[in-house]
Amino acid sequence: QKEVEQDPGPLSVPEGAIVSLNCTYSNSAFQYFMWYRQYSRKGPELLMYTYSSGNKEDGRFTAQVDKSSKYISLFIRDSQPSDSATYLCAMSGGGNTGKLIFGQGTTLQVKP
Amino acid sequence: ETGVTQSPTHLIKTRGQQVTLRCSSQSGHNTVSWYQQALGQGPQFIFQYYREEENGRGNFPPRFSGLQFPNYSSELNVNALELDDSALYLCASSDGQRRSYNSPLHFGNGTRLTVT
Repeated sequence: QKEVEQDPGPLSVPEGAIVSLNCTYSNSAFQYFMWYRQYSRKGPELLMYTYSSGNKEDGRFTAQVDKSSKYISLFIRDSQPSDSATYLCAMSGGGNTGKLIFGQGTTLQVKP
Repeated sequence: ETGVTQSPTHLIKTRGQQVTLRCSSQSGHNTVSWYQQALGQGPQFIFQYYREEENGRGNFPPRFSGLQFPNYSSELNVNALELDDSALYLCASSDGQRRSYNSPLHFGNGTRLTVT
């Protein structure tokens, strides 16, 4: 079993839809949770960064962390064709290594 | 603010050869991490360097080695290349401190390595 599970999709939605992306994890030591967006032939770009449980909102993006269920989510409101990319969840237990554990990534296509 | 830059962008090598990939950190960042991303997969942690010392390592063999220089730039060296080493190699920098992780990683666009 992988430490972080993420449905690879692909996920296809019409423009303006609300998108929900999810990851589950098994390591209860994880404390830092991130979402990255990766366009084709580019490196991952940090979207959201949260510590421990709770919600965080940034514009059209909302990240949720439920440590009791070992479940994190990213919601995208009013999705745009420019949101079409692969979304990677990542997490870390902190400590001194800076090691992130990534999910497989979910490919999202927003159709005009 | 200058972001993370990597060179070269693409590279083709033959099995058994050696390769060196280069990375310049985002300005003000003193910690560099390297990741390997196979096609259709998430990145996997190779190692991290802080103040020119290896500060953590993932499940990669010793033929993967690195260096960090006083200006915080970094190199990833891979010896005895194997076909499975074909991947996107990502460098990430952060303003981290050795005993804690409280700074998110910022990635470059990677080097696409193909081993034939």
